[in-house]
Amino acid sequence: QKEVEQNSGPLSVPEGAIASLNCTYSDRVSQSFFWYRQYSGKSPELIMSIYSNGDKEDGRFTAQLNKASQYVSLLIRDSQPSDSATYLCAFHNFNKFYFGSGTKLNVKP
Amino acid sequence: EPEVTQTPSHQVTQMGQEVILRCVPISNHLYFYWYRQILGQKVEFLVSFYNNEISEKSEIFDDQFSVERPDGSNFTLKIRSTKLEDSAMYFCASSEVGQFLDSPLHFGNGTRLTVT
Repeated sequence: QKEVEQNSGPLSVPEGAIASLNCTYSDRVSQSFFWYRQYSGKSPELIMSIYSNGDKEDGRFTAQLNKASQYVSLLIRDSQPSDSATYLCAFHNFNKFYFGSGTKLNVKP
Repeated sequence: EPEVTQTPSHQVTQMGQEVILRCVPISNHLYFYWYRQILGQKVEFLVSFYNNEISEKSEIFDDQFSVERPDGSNFTLKIRSTKLEDSAMYFCASSEVGQFLDSPLHFGNGTRLTVT
């Protein structure tokens, strides 16, 4: 059974701080990893994809992947109240994408 | 930017009735998916579809469910006899490629199905 584990939160950070979201996955074969943001009642929206070990930066977001530890993280710099949402970690293997339950992030003004 | 389109946005039906949820995937995408999310729970895989046939399905996707690509653009999910526990948000998604190649999943806005 392939799994994605995330701390459900909520993770509360003050506006302007760095939010750190973590995820572990069970499948050693997977090569593709993704972070999605989901606002309440809305569909998941792709934030970042990462395919190789190391860091990948896109604006205020940095994804980090460590395949040996089966660990992927997302850092959000200069957090804004509009970043308050549930963040879903996902990996792709063969014919489907596996999702974690998500970490709820609250950014306090 | 191209997007996945789903209709209707909200569907209310009585238990035992058939429903069809409709989706138009992004035009150059080849892999199509249905996921569902029961309120407050995780996004669950239902089925993936490629080259006009099911690639993989979950244990949730039993004989009450079926998918079809009736023409070159639409992708539908049919639930033959709805149950109360089918109430959920249903997301259609597509990706440009699948299997071993890297391509993210793009979601539609979802159809909220309420079974009464």
